[in-house]
Order: sequence, then structure tokens, then C-alpha cells
Amino acid sequence: DAGITQSPRHKVTETGTPVTLRCHQTENHRYMYWYRQDPGHGLRLIHYSYGVKDTDKGEVSDGYSVSRSKTEDFLLTLESATSSQTSVYFCAISESKTSRSDTQYFGPGTRLTVL
Amino acid sequence: GESVGLHLPTLSVQEGDNSIINCAYSNSASDYFIWYKQESGKGPQFIIDIRSNMDKRQGQRVTVLLNKTVKHLSLQIAATQPGDSAVYFCAEISGGNTPLVFGKGTRLSVIA
Repeated sequence: DAGITQSPRHKVTETGTPVTLRCHQTENHRYMYWYRQDPGHGLRLIHYSYGVKDTDKGEVSDGYSVSRSKTEDFLLTLESATSSQTSVYFCAISESKTSRSDTQYFGPGTRLTVL
Repeated sequence: GESVGLHLPTLSVQEGDNSIINCAYSNSASDYFIWYKQESGKGPQFIIDIRSNMDKRQGQRVTVLLNKTVKHLSLQIAATQPGDSAVYFCAEISGGNTPLVFGKGTRLSVIA
């Protein structure tokens, strides 16, 4: 998985609790992304980062926040988890956003269940 | 709105046969396309990409064809093997600062 790790790999939590997912890369790539994957929807972008402390919203950012204090780490936080946030979350990295010569590489995913 | 999509949600092929997975896109500004393979329980894996100034690109056992006239992309897998069983996604970039847009995926099942 191209030097990308995600933690935890599985988590079960209750509605209303805060949850933080971590993505760690060893490739020193500039761009990092958080996606969620749900049946019938495919991969949808939540947030992405184009550098330390530089982030932007994706297609489905409501209810999520992110932080990037170091190049290698990108955190996704659900401030108050809801059942609709039950999903598989993938982190991805790329050297450039347009990825002409390098594409996005994905981590192994985190399966989150909100009861 | 404009989006990337796939014609067939599932495809079953006999081992050894060739597979063709199709993808339609509606954004005429898209200039870069990628195919990903996702095996069960894993993240998407890059297979092959193509720029809009090309109509064909070949890799190892895979070929991507791009028809800009009808906004159609296809992935051909030669001599399909059991290890090719997975979900395949197409994705597009329309340039500028827009991120990748993924299709919903096609599940390929290889019958031994």
C-alpha cells in the first residue's frame, strides 16, 4: 500500500462520541486525501490537504474535520459520530493534485461502525 | 451535474477469456483518466492511466481505450485470471484544481 498506514483498521463506536482516524505516510508526498466508500456511492472525497496546515473540503465534508500538523500525518475527526458515518474510510496520497506523472495511492482502509 | 459512471455493475467471464469493462464520462473538460482495481478488504490499486491526447495505452495484459467523441473509456484485460477478480473503478480529472472523480465501480468475477 505504497507506504501508507491507517489506524485503527476497525472501530466500533456509539452515536455522539468523537472519533479520530489517522493516516500516516512514509513517502513524503505533498497531497493527502480522505475518502469514504459506501455501497452504491463509490469513493467520495471528504477533505484533502495540499501541505502542512493547508486543507480544503471535498464533496462530503459535513460532520468531518481534518488536521495536518506534519507532512506524514493526516487526521480525520468525527466530532460527534452519527450512524450515517458508518463506512469504510480510505486515505490516499499523491505527489501532485493533477497526478499527471504520479497518481493517488491508497491506504488499506478503516472500517468504522457507529451504533 | 457531470459525473463519471459505469455501464455494467457486474461482469462474469471465463478464465482465459478477455474482459472489457466500460466507463462513460460526461465532463468534456476531463483530460486525464485512471483505472483502479480494488480487491476485497483492500484499498484501490492503480492499474493504468491515459491522457486525453491519447486514444490507447497498453500495460501488462491491460489496455485502456479512450473515445473522446462519445466520452467513453474502457479497460481490456487479456487472458483473465482468477486473481483479476475485483471491483474496477474509473476516475477522471478535469484539470485545474479539481480532484479525482470516481465512478461507482464494476465487479469482475472470473469463473474457473
